This record gives sequence, C-alpha cells and structure tokens, in this order.
Amino acid sequence: ETGVTQTPRHLVMGMTNKKSLKCEQHLGHNAMYWYKQSAKKPLELMFVYNFKEQTENNSVPSRFSPECPNSSHLFLHLHTLQPEDSALYLCASSPDSNYGYTFGSGTRLTVV
Amino acid sequence: DQQVKQNSPSLSVQEGRISILNCDYTNSMFDYFLWYKKYPAEGPTFLISISSIKDKNEDGRFTVFLNKSAKHLSLHIVPSQPGDSAVYFCAASFDSGSARQLTFGSGTQLTVLP
Repeated sequence: ETGVTQTPRHLVMGMTNKKSLKCEQHLGHNAMYWYKQSAKKPLELMFVYNFKEQTENNSVPSRFSPECPNSSHLFLHLHTLQPEDSALYLCASSPDSNYGYTFGSGTRLTVV
Repeated sequence: DQQVKQNSPSLSVQEGRISILNCDYTNSMFDYFLWYKKYPAEGPTFLISISSIKDKNEDGRFTVFLNKSAKHLSLHIVPSQPGDSAVYFCAASFDSGSARQLTFGSGTQLTVLP
C-alpha cells in the first residue's frame, strides 16, 4: 500500500470515448500531481495542484482536463484522445513545501 | 530541452559488484536531487536524496554523490543484488514559490546478473 491509489490500473479507449482517471491519497498531503510516462522518455509533468488550486499546467492539450475536488482526490478527464496519448499516467502527492513525492502505481492507457 | 539527462538507457552488472548510475543537469537553480526506483507495473518509489549543500549522502548500500561544478550526480549501489534490477530515475527540484516540482531524467534500466 503506497498511500496513493490510482484507478483503473489499465484502460483501453477509443479516440471518441470519454473516460476519467482517478487518484486518491491517504497521506494528508497538500500537493498532487499528474505525470505522463512514455516509453524511453522522462516523466513529463502535466498538472500540479497545491491546496486544491491548480498551480501549473505544462502546455497540456485541452483533451486532458484535471479536476481536484479536495486535497485527497485528483481526476484526469480524457476526451477525444489520440493514439500518441497512450502512456502510463502517474499520480503523485507531496506535503506542502516538502521535497519528495509518493507515487501511485499508475494507469496504463491505450488509445485505439 | 531536457534539464535532467540520464545518458545510459541501460546498465548490466554482476551480482556483488558496484553499480554506478549517472545523471547530468543543466539548470543551476536545482537545489535538491533525488533517485527513484521503478519496477514494472508499479509507480516510482523514493530511494535516496541529496541537498545541494552536500556532496555525498549514504544510506546502506546506496550512496549518492553530487558534483555541483560539473552539474553531475551519481548513484552507487554496493554490493549490487538481483533485486536491485529496476529502472532508476534521477530527479531534481527547486523552490519555485509554489509546490516543489520534480524534473525527471529518462531513466536507466539496471540489470543485476546472478
């Protein structure tokens, strides 16, 4: 149990579908993050929420839409994705002003 | 442009020997560096870190060295064990005024051969 839980673990969706990824942390952390990991590439920061407020959006296409209803939950809403969006999507959390992240196990997304 | 680079995508080492994983960075604002380990089908897990005010940090079999002038850090694993086989990510951060953000390298696949 890592303290950060992501669901689903695997997702296959068509390019016209709408789906959502869910992340939940039980660590009392104030900051939550979405990262994308594509093969052979660095983890790419997508979104940062600090105390439920979005503080960073790293030029992510609008087909990815984050939502943070409270400091324990983070969603990534997906619509009209492209095959190149297939990747491992990782959620992480950290205490405010702390240095380390705790990652979830990720959602393996395949867009067909 | 990648600010954190791991130029070796893979490394194979014999069990019991030393593993040395390298990482270079370009942003002089980075003041905290971390190594994460990732097994297949799992998220990255924190391994060891170092502040820019230090040049060495040791935790059991793992030691991280930081050379600020060269903008280079390395992770030493001694002795290497088969269970150390995983992808190792180097990460760096600085205080931007909001939540600290980690910038990751592309990872090095370490294989420890029995």
